[in-house]
Amino acid sequence: AQSVTQLDSQVPVFEEAPVELRCNYSSSVSVYLFWYVQYPNQGLQLLLKYLSGSTLVKGINGFEAEFNKSQTSFHLRKPSVHISDTAEYFCAVRSGGSEKLVFGKGTKLTVNP
Amino acid sequence: NAGVTQTPKFQVLKTGQSMTLQCAQDMNHNSMYWYRQDPGMGLRLIYYSASEGTTDKGEVPNGYNVSRLNKREFSLRLESAAPSQTSVYFCASSALDRVGEAFFGQGTRLTVV
Repeated sequence: AQSVTQLDSQVPVFEEAPVELRCNYSSSVSVYLFWYVQYPNQGLQLLLKYLSGSTLVKGINGFEAEFNKSQTSFHLRKPSVHISDTAEYFCAVRSGGSEKLVFGKGTKLTVNP
Repeated sequence: NAGVTQTPKFQVLKTGQSMTLQCAQDMNHNSMYWYRQDPGMGLRLIYYSASEGTTDKGEVPNGYNVSRLNKREFSLRLESAAPSQTSVYFCASSALDRVGEAFFGQGTRLTVV
């Protein structure tokens, strides 16, 4: 069964600093990987996705993630964060051939001035 | 364009009462999902429906039932509410050709007392 582990529940950083949010997945078959963002009191929206091809994917708001099959990881990065990036970030996985989309427990990113 | 609409937005139930959470999408998506979000637990899949007429259990289906009434609507029913079902519930939908790109509703905040 597919599962996702987000290694950090909270990540505080200062504005303009780089950030990496870590995600590891487990699945016995080919996978599709996603990062979603949730701003306070809102639903989730897609940041970026890896389906196939280039292992470095770019998303909205300057975020990017790298798929690493050997380490079963899909870490999210941004070189310079803004106050407005404060939100909760969720990694998600879907196995090939399944419609089931499974989320991690989330990482709360807090950007301080 | 409304996207995914959930009703109600807030609800308070007494233990043992029943209710149905409604979800409708206007994007002609095949797949629909119900998740619950609890602090520190991330999003957990309750049920999903890969297409009209089919439903499957997710990670935490106990205490819930679902109906995929037609392609647009996917309802979640609590037959006998329990305090452990206090949560924020999200409905989501996705298209076959947009693998895993789920669109979320704004959520229903349910409190069972």
